[in-house]
Amino acid sequence: DIQMTQSPSTLSASVGDRVVISCRASQSLNVWLAWYQQKPGKAPKLLISQASGLESGVPSRFSGSGSGTEFTLTIGSLQPDDFATYYCQQYSSYPWTFGQGTKVE
Amino acid sequence: QVQLQESGPGLVKPSETLSLKCNVSGASMTGNYWSWIRQPPGKGLEWIGYILYNGKNNYNPSLGGRVTMSVDPSKSQFSLKVNSVTAADTAVYFCVKGAGVTRDWGQGTLVSVSS
Repeated sequence: DIQMTQSPSTLSASVGDRVVISCRASQSLNVWLAWYQQKPGKAPKLLISQASGLESGVPSRFSGSGSGTEFTLTIGSLQPDDFATYYCQQYSSYPWTFGQGTKVE
Repeated sequence: QVQLQESGPGLVKPSETLSLKCNVSGASMTGNYWSWIRQPPGKGLEWIGYILYNGKNNYNPSLGGRVTMSVDPSKSQFSLKVNSVTAADTAVYFCVKGAGVTRDWGQGTLVSVSS
């Protein structure tokens, strides 16, 4: 299985901060990587697919980049609604696997 | 708008079979993949497997061959069974439309394994 490692596990930030979350894969994914946001008690919400493709309706302060084994999710200016846990997920090779999550608090 | 709703027992005894159903509205079962993903309390996400409308499936080997999925397009429903459950199978179970990238999720249902 492809192992996905996110850093940091927890991130303390304030409204207005630029936030960067990293995701590293144990083997190359090309660009087959997605990012999800999850709030307590809710299902994850897809933010970005194919490493950098912003989902419709997702604010433009979210952006994704990277390819191969190194990826980042950037929140340009953190808003109150963005405090949540973020997961990367590879869909290059089955079984699809998720990172352990990054909690933005 | 696609809606998915999980249903099933919230408590299962160790060694027994966990059974969940997912009712789908707003989307055709035909031509789509349908998946189950789970999340142990306070932990990360794990892909259990997917099934296509025609029954073709792919399960995560991490569950050790204990998984069976089925689909009933006539009822707009698909199902999950996990047999020989242990406490490690305690999780919120999500039904999801798609495989790989998933945009449509059910709200999730907590299944606890305990005697």
